[in-house]
Amino acid sequence: DVVVTQSPLSLPVTLGQPASISCRSSQSLEHSDGDTYLNWFHQRPGQSPRRLFSKVSDRGSGVPDRFSGSGSGTDFTLRISRVEAEDVGVYYCMQGTHWPPTFGQGTKVEIK
Amino acid sequence: EVQLVQSGAEVKKPGESLKISCKASGYSFTSYWIGWVRQMPGKGLEWMGIIYPYDSDTRYSPSFQGQVTVSADKSITTAYLQWSSLKASDTAMYYCATFDYGPHSVDYWGQGTQVTVSS
Repeated sequence: DVVVTQSPLSLPVTLGQPASISCRSSQSLEHSDGDTYLNWFHQRPGQSPRRLFSKVSDRGSGVPDRFSGSGSGTDFTLRISRVEAEDVGVYYCMQGTHWPPTFGQGTKVEIK
Repeated sequence: EVQLVQSGAEVKKPGESLKISCKASGYSFTSYWIGWVRQMPGKGLEWMGIIYPYDSDTRYSPSFQGQVTVSADKSITTAYLQWSSLKASDTAMYYCATFDYGPHSVDYWGQGTQVTVSS
């Protein structure tokens, strides 16, 4: 299986400040069809995950533009330009290029 | 509006069988892959298996091959996850989720079904 590694695993942030989460894969996520299948999800406590980005940087419906996704190959980043209280929870990246799809371990974002 | 509505929480004993469901609506059920994700208590997310309801093409993560069965009934736009003999280690939250862009990118999620296996 492709190993997906997130860092940090815990991220205390100050409201209004930026935050960044790294996601690295053990193999390139560029598919033979030319797309790169890297998703980002946000899971609030007691809720189902919600997709933030597909294909690295395609923002999901209703996702605030303070969130951005970037990267290529094996190295990807989720950025929040100004953290708000509703952004707490666990963030997961997931690769879908290679079977089986695999998730990173998750990054827990909390307010300082 | 896409909706995935999962069946309710289950409490079972080791060795019992179980089938949980995910009723899909608001999109063409036969045109998109749908699958199941396990989340053990306090842990991360793991893909178990997926199915393409149009032709029932099914794929399993190696970790779950032979341990569970994924199926779908396109006449009632419902996907299923079943166990023939539960173990205590199957205690977890199970989510169904749909894919877009083939079996590569996940979009919508169900609300989750809590399965507790205890003697």
